[in-house]
Amino acid sequence: GAGVSQSPRYKVTKRGQDVTLRCDPISSHATLYWYQQALGQGPEFLTYFNYEAQPDKSGLPSDRFSAERPEGSISTLTIQRTEQRDSAMYRCASSRDREETQYFGPGTRLLVL
Amino acid sequence: SQQGEEDPQALSIQEGENATMNCSYKTSINNLQWYRQNSGRGLVHLILIRSNEREKHSGRLRVTLDTSKKSSSLLITASRAADTASYFCAIRKVGGSNYKLTFGKGTLLTVNP
Repeated sequence: GAGVSQSPRYKVTKRGQDVTLRCDPISSHATLYWYQQALGQGPEFLTYFNYEAQPDKSGLPSDRFSAERPEGSISTLTIQRTEQRDSAMYRCASSRDREETQYFGPGTRLLVL
Repeated sequence: SQQGEEDPQALSIQEGENATMNCSYKTSINNLQWYRQNSGRGLVHLILIRSNEREKHSGRLRVTLDTSKKSSSLLITASRAADTASYFCAIRKVGGSNYKLTFGKGTLLTVNP
């Protein structure tokens, strides 16, 4: 596609619910990243994929967070049993390969009540 | 943890003036990048400077890098109201995790018409 897209743009959920966020990267890009951005802070790395492989998930805050990219294109980030501290902007980025410029999507703003 | 640190945290100038933002970091880097984040929009890549470069220009943007001081600056000349945004520096470290970007907290720039 023309750019990285994410859905939904906004998500409000109740504590304890599961949420799934979606990222559609630029179609030719092999590498996909997820970042979490708290209010007033810069994005922090969560995990990344090289095609469907997930070499590094060290940034995921807990085992409630998981990500998939089963066919090497679209990716989902799932947060189980959400907590209020999970409220943040979740950003997806893609790049042609792991050392190239990362292009970011508009983000999903998650609010956990 | 955020390795880059921007200074100042906030900057307010008049249209037509120049804006300078600084970024300091702590590790050896492969490159340093600057991103802009407008309200309600994604992160937009502005410019990348490699560790063996000292200065780079792109339109009204000028970036310098001093690896001995572990610092970079972003200069926006002849600012416009549309330049109002948060500006983040992001470093790509040398070594095994060179795929991830480590962002600072950002500088909020306000350009008054």
